[in-house]
Amino acid sequence: ELKVEQNPLFLSMQEGKNYTIYCNYSTTSDRLYWYRQDPGKSLESLFVLLSNGAVKQEGRLMASLDTKARLSTLHITAAVHDLSATYFCAGDSFGNEKLTFGTGTRLTIIP
Amino acid sequence: KAGVTQTPRYLIKTRGQQVTLSCSPISGHRSVSWYQQTPGQGLQFLFEYFSETQRNKGNFPGRFSGRQFSNSRSEMNVSTLELGDSALYLCASSIWRVGGDEKLFFGSGTQLSVL
Repeated sequence: ELKVEQNPLFLSMQEGKNYTIYCNYSTTSDRLYWYRQDPGKSLESLFVLLSNGAVKQEGRLMASLDTKARLSTLHITAAVHDLSATYFCAGDSFGNEKLTFGTGTRLTIIP
Repeated sequence: KAGVTQTPRYLIKTRGQQVTLSCSPISGHRSVSWYQQTPGQGLQFLFEYFSETQRNKGNFPGRFSGRQFSNSRSEMNVSTLELGDSALYLCASSIWRVGGDEKLFFGSGTQLSVL
C-alpha cells in the first residue's frame, strides 16, 4: 500500500528566500500530485508529474519527480507572502483512482 | 466554466442521524471521488465513481456510501453519525482518471459537524 511522507511539516521562511518541500513515497506511484490549500478553502491543483525526471514550473513554484528515489520536490523561489498555505503531495496508480496524500506542509512566509 | 459544486457548505447533525452530501462535477467530467479531511487523519480517500459505477473504495465502514447519477452528479451518505465523522468532506472531479496527467479538481467541501 502506498504511503506518502512529506517534510517538513511546518516551514516558516522570510520573503525573498528559496526553500524546498520534500515528498517521499513508499512504493511505485504512477502519478505524483501537488496541491495547495488555503485555510478553510479547498484544494487547488498545482502540478501532476508522471515520468522520471519530470519538471514543471508555474511562477515561483517548481516541482520535480525522481521515480528511482521515490522522491518529489516542490521548490519555492524568492518566496512572497501570497504563497503562504498548506501544500500537499499525493500519489496514485493507473487503474487505482485513489489519491494517497501526505500530511501536508504548512508554509508561512514572513514579510 | 463552473467548478465542482458541493452542497451544503456547512452541516450540523447529532449523533445517530443520517446525512447526504451532494457534488456536481465540472461539466463533461465523468469521474467523481470523495475524500474526508480531518486534523488528525488528514486527507483520506472514501470512494470514486465513474459512469455510475463505483471503481474504488477506501477503508471506511459501511455507514459511508455513495452513488453517481447519469448526469455525473454524485451523493454520499453517512448513516448513524458518530462524533468522529466530523470533518471536511471534499469532492473531486476529472474527465477520465485513467492514465495521463489530467488534474483532479476539488470542490469547496462540506464541513460536517456532529454533536
